[in-house]
Amino acid sequence: DAKTTQPPSMDCAEGRAANLPCNHSTISGNEYVYWYRQIHSQGPQYIIHGLKNNETNEMASLIITEDRKSSTLILPHATLRDTAVYYCIVRVPYNNNDMRFGAGTRLTVKP
Amino acid sequence: GAVVSQHPSWVICKSGTSVKIECRSLDFQATTMFWYRQFPKQSLMLMATSNEGSKATYEQGVEKDKFLINHASLTLSTLTVTSAHPEDSSFYICSARMSSGASYNEQFFGPGTRLTVL
Repeated sequence: DAKTTQPPSMDCAEGRAANLPCNHSTISGNEYVYWYRQIHSQGPQYIIHGLKNNETNEMASLIITEDRKSSTLILPHATLRDTAVYYCIVRVPYNNNDMRFGAGTRLTVKP
Repeated sequence: GAVVSQHPSWVICKSGTSVKIECRSLDFQATTMFWYRQFPKQSLMLMATSNEGSKATYEQGVEKDKFLINHASLTLSTLTVTSAHPEDSSFYICSARMSSGASYNEQFFGPGTRLTVL
């Protein structure tokens, strides 16, 4: 699986959009970009994933650059409950590899 | 759907005792389950891959005789920490990979088990 690089921490004001970047310059053609988050003392929670098109669901939007070397997770209206560590992972979903986590980005939403 | 449970959610034990942690896929079958360990302020580290009906595969540096894994059915994997010591205190998280269906091969995570060894 390709390696990802994320900033270690970010702050965001409550109610504003949180934009979390991820670099994955060595991503291969069949690898998807996945985002998970982990709220303190809980298991990782799936957020969204995509291959090359932008994706949106009830939790977030995922913007992938045209060359697929980077992506941005957007939480449109951050709340205090969105404070968590966000992990960007690139992997081929339909194979038998495990999922490995980097350091992630610690997002703190402030009132 | 795709819920993974862990039991217990937290456990405190004395040094030298053994502790068993269960991981269940509640509404799907999982041929493969994964065990992770997470120390404070660190990321999840994969410990082992558990395959139903066969021996687990351990990551480098993880003692297989200390962390016994059993995956006897398609919905249950157990991790037993034998002769636990304070340095084994950690947050243990399992995930289950769906064996069939629309989310085939996707991984779903449990809520974690906090182990404290006194």
